[in-house]
Amino acid sequence: QKEVEQNSGPLSVPEGAIASLNCTYSDRVSQSFFWYRQYSGKSPELIMSIYSNGDKEDGRFTAQLNKASQYVSLLIRDSQPSDSATYLCAVNPRRGSTLGRLYFGRGTQLTVWP
Amino acid sequence: KAGVTQTPRYLIKTRGQQVTLSCSPISGHRSVSWYQQTPGQGLQFLFEYFSETQRNKGNFPGRFSGRQFSNSRSEMNVSTLELGDSALYLCASSLAWTGSETQYFGPGTRLLVL
Repeated sequence: QKEVEQNSGPLSVPEGAIASLNCTYSDRVSQSFFWYRQYSGKSPELIMSIYSNGDKEDGRFTAQLNKASQYVSLLIRDSQPSDSATYLCAVNPRRGSTLGRLYFGRGTQLTVWP
Repeated sequence: KAGVTQTPRYLIKTRGQQVTLSCSPISGHRSVSWYQQTPGQGLQFLFEYFSETQRNKGNFPGRFSGRQFSNSRSEMNVSTLELGDSALYLCASSLAWTGSETQYFGPGTRLLVL
């Protein structure tokens, strides 16, 4: 079983719509969760981090974490063409032996069309 | 503050050769992680260094090695290159990496093995 799985996409939404990106993880004791955005040919850049159950909002972005369901999501409101990128979910499963390691999902490619 | 820098940005090598990639973390950051990104496998963790010590290693063969210097700069080496080593190699730095700090990615080194 893969550590981190994302809805494979690609996802295509019109400008102004809400884009919903989903991620599930296998290790129940996972501690930290991150969403990165990666434009084609570029390196990943952090959008959001979330550590506690519930919602965390930052501008047009909202991360949602449900540890009981082992599920983390990212909502992008008022999507813009500049949001078109691959979104990577990353999980730090636990402390100790895997300290310093992030597990990444394969990414969901989002296209926002005008 | 300057971001994470990686050199060289592009490399072309032939099978059997070896290569050394360099990463300079953000000033003050002591943890450096290395990842390999390919279209087929996504982002995969190679290793992580903190204070010149390798704390964690991914599932890569022994041909992949690394080190960290006292100024936190890090290098990774790949010996006896194979075609499958063609990838984008990313390094990421963080302050101390206890599992919740942000990892900041460098621009990557794109390696092509012919």
